[in-house]
Formats: sequence, structure tokens, C-alpha cells
Amino acid sequence: DAMVIQNPRYQVTQFGKPVTLSCSQTLNHNVMYWYQQKSSQAPKLLFHYYDKDFNNEADTPDNFQSRRPNTSFCFLDIRSPGLGDAAMYLCATSRGGTGNEKLFFGSGTQLSVL
Amino acid sequence: GDSVTQMEGPVTLSEEAFLTINCTYTATGYPSLFWYVQYPGEGLQLLLKATKADDKGSNKGFEATYRKETTSFHLEKGSVQVSDSAVYFCALSDHGGAGANSKLTFGKGITLSVRP
Repeated sequence: DAMVIQNPRYQVTQFGKPVTLSCSQTLNHNVMYWYQQKSSQAPKLLFHYYDKDFNNEADTPDNFQSRRPNTSFCFLDIRSPGLGDAAMYLCATSRGGTGNEKLFFGSGTQLSVL
Repeated sequence: GDSVTQMEGPVTLSEEAFLTINCTYTATGYPSLFWYVQYPGEGLQLLLKATKADDKGSNKGFEATYRKETTSFHLEKGSVQVSDSAVYFCALSDHGGAGANSKLTFGKGITLSVRP
């Protein structure tokens, strides 16, 4: 009964080769988030969608893009991965609207860049 | 900007020991405060939260009290179990009121290992 599903669990790509990470949810939540977590660091918010409205964090590099074709799916595209983009990428969802509600996380995708 | 500072880890305890994990924060508004836990191989999940000063969040024997005067939200448990072994993240949401979304700022996390 997984509610936020991320695929794949592990992803290996080559330096400069575009890569897409996937997230799906069965909760029908309005908000979907992407976080980047590097080793021994805090998870860092990259961007989020409220329904179809995209909200980018000010310090998210242009190399990172996102798509949300429908309520259930959200994708993270890295156009030209660098070695510094190797990290765990976490997808999360929430109902949205109150500002203090619970987030539901997927298990993450560990990205390696060779 | 907002920030969350957690004590350095890892922490190793014997079963039934008392646990304290320190967390302090910096925020411009009146944030909500959270503890999330990540068990091995799983995603982060909410452990407890507090939305205003002096609130106490509790769950599964864990407690944390929102202390505005010391800007802290320390996590405590009176008697830890082996099954509590996990990574614990303190977080805040400086949500700006109704209609906003929960954008969490996390601490680095701390690994807790409990020995039988």
C-alpha cells in the first residue's frame, strides 16, 4: 500500500547525459515536492507544485527542471548532470493549504553520476 | 533565512536508556516544528509536530516541546528500544499562515543506534 512511489531506487547516469527521476502518488494530494539530499547534509527543497502551479526555490540551479502532467505524477529532469549532482532525491506530497500539514515521502532515488 | 541545527551524531545507546536529541532553529516568523524519522530502507515519515509555542508533540513514546524562548524543539524518549534505530530529522515550516504550503527546512539528521 505504498502511497508515494519513486522509481528507480538507484539511478546511474553519465556526466552530461540527461536523466529523469519519477514520482507517483496514490493520495490525491495537491502538493508535490522535490528535495535533494547530499551525504551527511540536510534535505534541500528544489521546487514544488501546488496542483499545476510550479514554485521554484531561488537557489535551485537551472539544470534542474520538473514536470507534473497530472495529479498523480511528477518528474525531476536533470538536463546535464554534473558530479556534484550525485545525491539522494526525495519526492514528497501534502494536501496543501494550511502550511503546517504532514508531508508524505517516497523512499528516494539515489543518483550516481559517472 | 530559516535554519535548523541538530546536535552532531551518531548516537549509540543501550536498550532502555534515556534519549535526548537537541534541535534549535532560526526563523523570521512563527514556524511549526516537526520531527521526522527515517528507518533503514524507507522514506521519511512524520514522528511528531508542534504548531505553536509551549505545544508538546508526542508519538510512540517520543516527546518534544516547542520552546520559543530558547528556539528549541528537543526530542526525548524515556526508554529506547532497538526498533527506534533510525535517522531523526528536525524540521520547521515557516508557513506564513493559511493558504500557504508546507515548505520544510530540515536539519542534517542524526543517526541513532540502539544496542540490545
